[in-house]
Amino acid sequence: DAGVTQSPTHLIKTRGQQVTLRCSPKSGHDTVSWYQQALGQGPQFIFQYYEEEERQRGNFPDRFSGHQFPNYSSELNVNALLLGDSALYLCASSSGQGGLPASYEQYFGPGTRLTVT
Amino acid sequence: AQSVAQPEDQVNVAEGNPLTVKCTYSVSGNPYLFWYVQYPNRGLQFLLKYITGDNLVKGSYGFEAEFNKSQTSFHLKKPSALVSDSALYFCAVRPNSGGSNYKLTFGKGTLLTVNP
Repeated sequence: DAGVTQSPTHLIKTRGQQVTLRCSPKSGHDTVSWYQQALGQGPQFIFQYYEEEERQRGNFPDRFSGHQFPNYSSELNVNALLLGDSALYLCASSSGQGGLPASYEQYFGPGTRLTVT
Repeated sequence: AQSVAQPEDQVNVAEGNPLTVKCTYSVSGNPYLFWYVQYPNRGLQFLLKYITGDNLVKGSYGFEAEFNKSQTSFHLKKPSALVSDSALYFCAVRPNSGGSNYKLTFGKGTLLTVNP
């Protein structure tokens, strides 16, 4: 059973550039959440996608955008990169059927380490 | 707004001794509570959760946590620590608000070191 996969593993970009990160959810999951984990900090919620729509968003600027595809995979796009965007970006998947116990657990991928220079 | 506090940046214990990693939370209404563990250069691994019911929750690798509503705490415990338990531990909360708030809020993490 494949878990959550993310690509690429590492990425180095220059300030002002744009980046796209990819995530494939765990088999059977239809919901994808994205988190940013800065060095020495806990993950911060960016947004969640369900049924190809952004269902909830955290306190991140519009430079951060996403997309979910019909096969439930997802992309995170960040425009006009800043040095402060350097972080580990985590994708988590879950079942979107609210109210069911299975929906409460989020399973995380290994992350993409983004370095902005 | 929801928040999580992990008051200890680091916890050191000797192998074989019991361990406790502390967590307190703030959330509107009843909480869903979670513990995750992160090994170096890895993503987060789910350990256990509290949704409802018994206040003592048992999870993976011999870990357990006790939900205390009056103290708004959800401390992680293990009766006998292993060197392999050394890792970064995160507590997380999500409000039990009927399914409209899916956001997990994490604490800053506690680095657990188990000494041989």
